[in-house]
Amino acid sequence: DAKTTQPPSMDCAEGRAANLPCNHSTISGNEYVYWYRQIHSQGPQYIIHGLKNNETNEMASLIITEDRKSSTLILPHATLRDTAVYYCIVRVGYRAGGTSYGKLTFGQGTILTVHP
Amino acid sequence: DAGVIQSPRHEVTEMGQEVTLRCKPISGHNSLFWYRQTMMRGLELLIYFNNNVPIDDSGMPEDRFSAKMPNASFSTLKIQPSEPRDSAVYFCASRSTSGGSYEQYFGPGTRLTVT
Repeated sequence: DAKTTQPPSMDCAEGRAANLPCNHSTISGNEYVYWYRQIHSQGPQYIIHGLKNNETNEMASLIITEDRKSSTLILPHATLRDTAVYYCIVRVGYRAGGTSYGKLTFGQGTILTVHP
Repeated sequence: DAGVIQSPRHEVTEMGQEVTLRCKPISGHNSLFWYRQTMMRGLELLIYFNNNVPIDDSGMPEDRFSAKMPNASFSTLKIQPSEPRDSAVYFCASRSTSGGSYEQYFGPGTRLTVT
């Protein structure tokens, strides 16, 4: 799987948008970009994923550059509860016999601190 | 839905003892993953199962570690004998392989301390 690079930490004011960058310059055409987060003492939580197009769900938006070498996770209105470690992961998706396989490799992530 | 259930939540044991961690995946999910998290090494995948069959165990550190999935609703991770360096938080996660998404649902983890 392609390697990702994220800043080790970021700060954001409550109520403002948090924009978390991720560099994945060696990404291949069939690799997806996934974002997970881990709030202190909890298991990681899925946020969003995408291949080429920008994606949005109830938690966040994912903006992928046209060359797919980088992406940005956007939390539109950050709250104190969004303080967590955010992981950007790229993974190969492949199917065999009607079943999808692959695994996620977590890096060090970005520690996002939302302050009042 | 109760989510992924892990037990125990905390385990303290002495070096040399056998430790068994348990996981109940979300009903209907057919893939199960065991991870280990430490400050030094971060979150590492140990093994994953698909339809109760181990698909990739390349992350299992050594022969002291073993994992089983006797049926779709239960898995164990066993360490025998345990060592202080095994101290970590162990997470179990599950997913459904239908639909093409790779959204994994993680349990709350088991914090293992080996003295």
